[in-house]
Amino acid sequence: QVQLQESGPGLVKPSGTLSLTCAVSGDSISSVNWWNWVRQPPGKGLEWIGKIFHSGSTNYNPSLKSRLTISVDKSKNQFSLKLSSVTAADTAVYYCARVGGYSSAYQYFDSWGQGTLVTVSS
Amino acid sequence: EIVLTQSPGTLSLSPGERATLSCRASQSVTSSYLAWYQQKPGQAPRLLIYGASSRATGIPDRFSGSESGTDFTLTISRLEPEDFAVYYCQQYGSSPYTFGQGTKLEIK
Repeated sequence: QVQLQESGPGLVKPSGTLSLTCAVSGDSISSVNWWNWVRQPPGKGLEWIGKIFHSGSTNYNPSLKSRLTISVDKSKNQFSLKLSSVTAADTAVYYCARVGGYSSAYQYFDSWGQGTLVTVSS
Repeated sequence: EIVLTQSPGTLSLSPGERATLSCRASQSVTSSYLAWYQQKPGQAPRLLIYGASSRATGIPDRFSGSESGTDFTLTISRLEPEDFAVYYCQQYGSSPYTFGQGTKLEIK
């Protein structure tokens, strides 16, 4: 059974860079799945951030693309998120999530991390 | 991008009743690539339905999904106490993947 665990600073200063890592266990990061980030501002709905395949191929939400980098570390079986030039609007619970497979038919989120709250504040 | 509009915003029902939650897409969703999730306070979302009508592993059969054109429905046939939560629909037919704003199912 796959498990995902987010980690990273819970507080980031405005204009700084938000950095999170998702450690994967129970599945190989080199499997046929895409690995995703999703966020949820306090009391609000869900927003897809982007995804990465173990080859390094990525797909980003255009609303964040200019500030976003998602990378993968196969040696550590983990993937990471970097979001630059953050503002208070980036305050949210950040989830990492796995989709059901490689093709379009499987891009639903079947496994999630517990989420980590990141607050942007000085 | 595809905008998903969920209704109602809040649904107040009693255990044992039937719940019908709606999700309308602003345009056609490729190949019925629509999922439903349940989220309880302080928890990550849990996948219920994918492909508009296929139940995820371990999901009770009181949960069912259907579609008619750009309208999608999640039905809970007989509400159990643990079903009271927020429900989100999500389309994954085209990027960026998008979610509805959620329907809160509360105990009446």
